[in-house]
Amino acid sequence: GDSVTQMEGPVTLSEEAFLTINCTYTATGYPSLFWYVQYPGEGLQLLLKATKADDKGSNKGFEATYRKETTSFHLEKGSVQVSDSAVYFCALGYQAGTALIFGKGTTLSVSS
Amino acid sequence: SQTIHQWPATLVQPVGSPLSLECTVEGTSNPNLYWYRQAAGRGLQLLFYSIGIDQISSEVPQNLSASRPQDRQFILSSKKLLLSDSGFYLCAWSVEAGTGGSDTQYFGPGTRLTVL
Repeated sequence: GDSVTQMEGPVTLSEEAFLTINCTYTATGYPSLFWYVQYPGEGLQLLLKATKADDKGSNKGFEATYRKETTSFHLEKGSVQVSDSAVYFCALGYQAGTALIFGKGTTLSVSS
Repeated sequence: SQTIHQWPATLVQPVGSPLSLECTVEGTSNPNLYWYRQAAGRGLQLLFYSIGIDQISSEVPQNLSASRPQDRQFILSSKKLLLSDSGFYLCAWSVEAGTGGSDTQYFGPGTRLTVL
């Protein structure tokens, strides 16, 4: 079945450091790929998405490119801020009425 | 714009007590609605989804049930809670993107349930 694997956390960075959170997937079809962010005590917020191979999703300085050849969707940001501290979830999904399949989440902690 | 509400925000219940969690969506019609549970260290698990009023599918057999009495209202219930029901319950909505589109799901703020 389909699955999503994220790098183990926590990831600890200093402010303005470069961020990469790895995400790879296994899929039987052609899913869309998503990154969600969860701040402490809150629900999940959609950060970015890509619907087909070679698409790049971007938002708030974060980027991720749908790489079909490597089955990856790594999240990157050039310069992180303390306010980026959160848990990041990679997910894949298909048509309406089906579950998003999530990775286990990666905790990011940014210090000033 | 669309918004999604969940209540209560937190809940502490004894084992064996009933449960009712409510989710409502504003600003859209005929959304797909979902209930997920996020348990500590276990990621997110889809519990129920609904593509219309009285059309509900269960993904995981358990002592929980869901109902959709109105187009934009989704309720998660239990007659008798178990310790293992503790977790963070998230409601989500989506609208079908059409041919070739994906189903982007948007999440509510969640309900933290502790069963003692």
